[in-house]
Amino acid sequence: NAGVMQNPRHLVRRRGQEARLRCSPMKGHSHVYWYRQLPEEGLKFMVYLQKENIIDESGMPKERFSAEFPKEGPSILRIQQVVRGDSAAYFCASSPPRGMETQYFGPGTRLLVL
Amino acid sequence: AQSVTQLDSHVSVSEGTPVLLRCNYSSSYSPSLFWYVQHPNKGLQLLLKYTSAATLVKGINGFEAEFKKSETSFHLTKPSAHMSDAAEYFCVVSDRGTDSWGKLQFGAGTQVVVTP
Repeated sequence: NAGVMQNPRHLVRRRGQEARLRCSPMKGHSHVYWYRQLPEEGLKFMVYLQKENIIDESGMPKERFSAEFPKEGPSILRIQQVVRGDSAAYFCASSPPRGMETQYFGPGTRLLVL
Repeated sequence: AQSVTQLDSHVSVSEGTPVLLRCNYSSSYSPSLFWYVQHPNKGLQLLLKYTSAATLVKGINGFEAEFKKSETSFHLTKPSAHMSDAAEYFCVVSDRGTDSWGKLQFGAGTQVVVTP
């Protein structure tokens, strides 16, 4: 049973470009969460999604950031018009419908904005 | 509201000696508490979790933690450190039964260094 998968593992973008980060949850998991880890800081919650629904996006910046978890395919975290302050590690986690509290994390995508 | 304070940003131990990582939490409701470990440039691995069953929780790799409600603490311990324990450790809280339950609140992390 493969774990949570994220790609790409490393992403380099220039200011103003778009970044798309993908997350495939563990098999059987229907809940996906995104967290951001800025340098020298702990992880901060961004958004919680179920299939085709955003459950809690209270941690998402108001502009340029969006997330989706379609019926088919991976969850996508999209950052438009990236700025240097977006450079961080972005982690995805997933959990099953039951025993929802235990979140299993992927290896992360490290975004560098030049 | 929920929050977590990890009392030490860095801990250095000798191989074979005990490890203690301190964590205090604040929660308005009945909390779930977790410890995760992050090795350099890797994802987070769950070490153990507390969800209102036994207050002494045993995890992987010889780690354990004790939930003390009166002290609002959830300290992580290991009797004998191994070189492979060098990593960053995060104490995490989640408020069960609230709208915030899916939102894990992370501490700032404790960097553990193990010396030979």
